[in-house]
Amino acid sequence: DIQMTQSPSSLSASVGDRVTITCRASQGISNYLAWYQQKPGKVPKLLIYAASTLQSGVPSRFSGSGSGTDFTLTISSLQPEDVATYYCQKYNSAPFTFGPGTKVDIK
Amino acid sequence: EVQLVESGGGLVQPGGSLKLSCAASGFTFSGSAMHWVRQASGKGLEWVGRIRSKANSYATAYAASVKGRFTISRDDSKNTAYLQMNSLKTEDTAVYYCIKTGEPLPDAFDIWGQGTMVTVSS
Repeated sequence: DIQMTQSPSSLSASVGDRVTITCRASQGISNYLAWYQQKPGKVPKLLIYAASTLQSGVPSRFSGSGSGTDFTLTISSLQPEDVATYYCQKYNSAPFTFGPGTKVDIK
Repeated sequence: EVQLVESGGGLVQPGGSLKLSCAASGFTFSGSAMHWVRQASGKGLEWVGRIRSKANSYATAYAASVKGRFTISRDDSKNTAYLQMNSLKTEDTAVYYCIKTGEPLPDAFDIWGQGTMVTVSS
């Protein structure tokens, strides 16, 4: 099975900072990569699918890139409401594995 | 409005069984694949399993951690998906979410239920 890793596991940044989270698949998954945001006590929310397509209603400060095995989620200007844990996920075929998550908070 | 509502969670002893339900509305349930994802307290998301639509032979797939113990089924006449959990272990304690995805092409998890809590403890 394909394994998903994320780095860093956590980060602390200031409001307005550019934040980058990396996700790596152990084998190529083309662009079948999604990013989710989960705020404390809430249901996960789809942010980006097909590696770089922004889900409807998601602020444009979020962006995704990558293909194959290496992917990136970028928040161009961190806002207080972005405090959350972010997960990547492969969805090309079963098992639909999630990464371990990256916790983002405000410095 | 597209909606998924899970039910059936609760407290069960190790070795016991529990059946979760996921009632769907607001979309064509019969044409959708249905997934289950769980999350233990303070931990990450774990995909549990999936059932595809009738057009895709109701094919199922499971995570290695639950294969042989959990079974996903669906009743398209009731717009409901199920997760039958047998031989439960303490490590199965988690919030269980159901999710719908499109078919036949691979689809990200855009619609989630609110989750139902399962506690396995003596």
